[in-house]
Parts: sequence; C-alpha cells; structure tokens
Amino acid sequence: DGGITQSPKYLFRKEGQNVTLSCEQNLNHDAMYWYRQDPGQGLRLIYYSQIVNDFQKGDIAEGYSVSREKKESFPLTVTSAQKNPTAFYLCASQTGFRQPQHFGDGTRLSIL
Amino acid sequence: GQQLNQSPQSMFIQEGEDVSMNCTSSSIFNTWLWYKQDPGEGPVLLIALYKAGELTSNGRLTAQFGITRKDSFLNISASIPSDVGIYFCAGLTNYGGATNKLIFGTGTLLAVQP
Repeated sequence: DGGITQSPKYLFRKEGQNVTLSCEQNLNHDAMYWYRQDPGQGLRLIYYSQIVNDFQKGDIAEGYSVSREKKESFPLTVTSAQKNPTAFYLCASQTGFRQPQHFGDGTRLSIL
Repeated sequence: GQQLNQSPQSMFIQEGEDVSMNCTSSSIFNTWLWYKQDPGEGPVLLIALYKAGELTSNGRLTAQFGITRKDSFLNISASIPSDVGIYFCAGLTNYGGATNKLIFGTGTLLAVQP
C-alpha cells in the first residue's frame, strides 16, 4: 500500500537525550514536512524539504534537526536543546505545488 | 505563527443533525483544505478547494471556497456517530519559491450523541 509511515508510535525521552522520529513515504512525493501538534492547537511547521539534500526551517525549528538523504525518508531529531518536546509529531508529504499535504499517523513524544 | 480563525471551537449535536463550521483569515489563500483527525491519528484529507466560489461535495460533506478567498465553510449533513473527531481547515499559501505552507485553523471538536 502507498502511504506515509511514521515510527515509533510512542517515544519517551530522558533529560539531555536526543531522539529521532522516522518518516518514510512510498508515494514518490518530492516535498515532505514535519509538524508539531499541542493539545487544543493547530499544527505548527517545524521543517520542510522540497528535494533531496535540501531542507528549510519552519516556524518553530529551534531545538530540532532534520536530514533528507533519500527522497522517501525525512527523519526528525528532537535535540536536548528543545526544552518542551512533549507533543504529537506529524509528518506529511505533498505531490506537487498547490496540492494537498497527506499525513502519517504521528508519533507521540513524552518526557521521562 | 499565523493561524486561521475557525469556529465553532466545539459542537455537541444529536445524530441526524446537520453541522456547519467555518474558517476566516485576514490573508488570501490559493487553496483551502478540510481535514478530519481522530484521536491519536494523523489528519485525513476530506475536501480540497482550488478556486474562489468553488463548491465541492464528498458524500455527506460539502465545502465552499469563499469568493474573497479569505474564508471557507464545511457542512456535514445527517451526522452519524463516526463523524466524531476534530475538523481542521487549512489554507495553502506560498512560502518561498515553489514551496507551499499550510496554515491551520485551531480545529472544531465534533461530538455526536447517538
């Protein structure tokens, strides 16, 4: 089946630890996005990538990093510099300009 | 960051009732999207609107792209229990070069009483 796969579903981070969230898509989409969702709020853009080996900061990039070494993969690292990392993280991809973004099922990150 | 004004914030209705929700913005958008999100899941696209004035249906759902390009509404007719969830509007705008940015509304929580 074609789609966007995020893993793990749940993730726990210890103080001072970096953690990496996986996002894989087999839709052959060029553009990929990472969003953060907090309770009662809409989605906020962390990073996006239009093409392999290129990515740009979104509205709330501080404390996060990404890579785009392959078209189908766009992992997000939540670094120890992110002081409030507890949230629901959503990855999305987009087939082309002005086309809808399609989302994975999310990863819920919590602090131990 | 920018967010769209979405209303109402929540709705509690009886099964069979019709539902209406809307989004407004001070900015113009080229595309309006409506998503539904179930608890612990990612948003699922319901309807995409590409032209001002466009009216599009998807089963019991109908959405319109406002003439001013600054608003959109979603109607759900004859609601059923599985309509429960959070509905988000989103406006698509340019974000430098060929990149699109989705601006999300704050969501409408819909609860349906059987």
